[in-house]
Amino acid sequence: DAEITQSPRHKITETGRQVTLACHQTWNHNNMFWYRQDLGHGLRLIHYSYGVQDTNKGEVSDGYSVSRSNTEDLPLTLESAASSQTSVYFCASSVAGSSEQYFGPGTRLTVT
Amino acid sequence: ELKVEQNPLFLSMQEGKNYTIYCNYSTTSDRLYWYRQDPGKSLESLFVLLSNGAVKQEGRLMASLDTKARLSTLHITAAVHDLSATYFCARGGPNNNDMRFGAGTRLTVKP
Repeated sequence: DAEITQSPRHKITETGRQVTLACHQTWNHNNMFWYRQDLGHGLRLIHYSYGVQDTNKGEVSDGYSVSRSNTEDLPLTLESAASSQTSVYFCASSVAGSSEQYFGPGTRLTVT
Repeated sequence: ELKVEQNPLFLSMQEGKNYTIYCNYSTTSDRLYWYRQDPGKSLESLFVLLSNGAVKQEGRLMASLDTKARLSTLHITAAVHDLSATYFCARGGPNNNDMRFGAGTRLTVKP
């Protein structure tokens, strides 16, 4: 079955380290998104991509970057992790032009 | 500023009762989404509302959209314990690049 996976599921890192969170989908969806979820804020959009080599900033993009070298993957990189980036991160994908997003299982990141 | 406000943020109900969760958004949109999230889990899509006056129902949940009032509602009928979860509304554009989520309503249904 087609699916969307994230790895790792849990990560503890130190302030200042570079961290990359993986997102892989097998639906061949053009659109992919990264969100962070914090208590009291719902989900907030970090970056998104409409296809290979396309990346765009979302609502809370500072300190994060993404790259899209193929359809299946959109890794999220924290260039220099900060304690404020402790959060749960969700990846999502959708068909181009579609309303419905499918979410991955999430990655819980703790920055100490 | 684009805002999505849900209320209430916390809701404790008795089984068998009815209640409504409200979602107000600040800028015009023709798309409104409702999601369910169980503790420690991902988001599950419940409803996608695409036009003014849209109404969708699934089991004990019914969602509606009034784009003129910038308001969506999620109505719960005869609540059961299995509906206990956090419910999010989200306002979005055609390609979801400007998705904005509400803070969520944590629903607890008690026997």
